[in-house]
Amino acid sequence: AQTVTQSQPEMSVQEAETVTLSCTYDTSESNYYLFWYKQPPSRQMILVIRQEAYKQQNATENRFSVNFQKAAKSFSLKISDSQLGDTAMYFCAFITTQGGSEKLVFGKGTKLTVNP
Amino acid sequence: GAGVSQSPSNKVTEKGKDVELRCDPISGHTALYWYRQRLGQGLEFLIYFQGNSAPDKSGLPSDRFSAERTGESVSTLTIQRTQQEDSAVYLCASSLAYGRGAYEQYFGPGTRLTVT
Repeated sequence: AQTVTQSQPEMSVQEAETVTLSCTYDTSESNYYLFWYKQPPSRQMILVIRQEAYKQQNATENRFSVNFQKAAKSFSLKISDSQLGDTAMYFCAFITTQGGSEKLVFGKGTKLTVNP
Repeated sequence: GAGVSQSPSNKVTEKGKDVELRCDPISGHTALYWYRQRLGQGLEFLIYFQGNSAPDKSGLPSDRFSAERTGESVSTLTIQRTQQEDSAVYLCASSLAYGRGAYEQYFGPGTRLTVT
């Protein structure tokens, strides 16, 4: 089964501090992409960061970085210097191409609150 | 340029009625996706269109759900004889092409459907 597990339903962090969101996944595919999406109260899904599974180097985007452990099927997101605007739901996802199409498989999300 | 747009933004309907949700993808994007997001949950894949290929309908939950796409433009998701469990946010996304995740999926703001 293709699944994504986010074990932290809610987290909070103080402004300017660092927080790490956890994600594990299960797939039988050998090459795939992993994603973290942000969904603020506006409902707009925004891509935060993307990782190609065949690349060993962890992806980074400004204050956002990932710790990708392929053997463990783990893909955590680290947010440094947290800002109030980072308050949102965060979803971990990967692309599966089973059935000839491609679709995102999402976890249930982690609600992150950044406190002033 | 313009992003993915969806209409209506919100829809309240009575149980048993049919509803039609609309998605306008980014111009030039050949791939189009529909997802459903129930309250407090991640996104569930519904259907995928890629160019002139047969759509992947494997995520549609029942035969009350159907979707069409005109060429590489507008798509409509139709839910017949709505049930209360259909209440959710329906999100549409588009991407430049089929690329095993190489191409970002851009999401619309979603349609919140409430069945009373």
